Amino acid sequence: EAGVAQSPRYKIIEKRQSVAFWCNPISGHATLYWYQQILGQGPKLLIQFQNNGVVDDSQLPKDRFSAERLKGVDSTLKIQPAKLEDSAVYLCASSPRGDRGAPQHFGDGTRLSIL
Amino acid sequence: GNSVTQMEGPVTLSEEAFLTINCTYTATGYPSLFWYVQYPGEGLQLLLKATKADDKGSNKGFEATYRKETTSFHLEKGSVQVSDSAVYFCALSHGGSQGNLIFGKGTKLSVKP
Repeated sequence: EAGVAQSPRYKIIEKRQSVAFWCNPISGHATLYWYQQILGQGPKLLIQFQNNGVVDDSQLPKDRFSAERLKGVDSTLKIQPAKLEDSAVYLCASSPRGDRGAPQHFGDGTRLSIL
Repeated sequence: GNSVTQMEGPVTLSEEAFLTINCTYTATGYPSLFWYVQYPGEGLQLLLKATKADDKGSNKGFEATYRKETTSFHLEKGSVQVSDSAVYFCALSHGGSQGNLIFGKGTKLSVKP
């Protein structure tokens, strides 16, 4: 089966600019996650979708980050405006279901550098 | 709150050496526990998991046992290979329908021939 697809792989922008990332989960996976991985740390959840509804966005900095999952398939994550501390790898993951035992399948991530 | 603590890296071993990467967790109730691996230039891959106390997860020669009494999920492999060089993340998932993962900081393993 095809894996989780993310684009772009790399993005370099200046602070205060906007950026968007795209994720296409594994076909049929109802649950989609966005994580932020800062260099030297483990990934941290930003937002979880179940189909096209938000399950958990408690750690999403809503003043600058937004995400949507229209039609319950693809998802986009946007940062506007970007800050230096947003430099990180943004990982998308999907799972056939959202319970605690379900394994998550990760994409290769988008590496964002803020100048 | 829920958290995961892993041993600090990097860990450098010779080929065929025994590997242990320690992982302990803090959580209420009964979390599921996972080990993920990130090879250079690649995304995270599930290595193994355990969903209840005393379960042993295993894959590719790696194994880890869910120890509720010591809140631990240590990763072990009897004989490492150069191809095992990667960053290993311990993670937990806890909370009903919210399967989001809480990760440790990762342990980088380098295996020398």
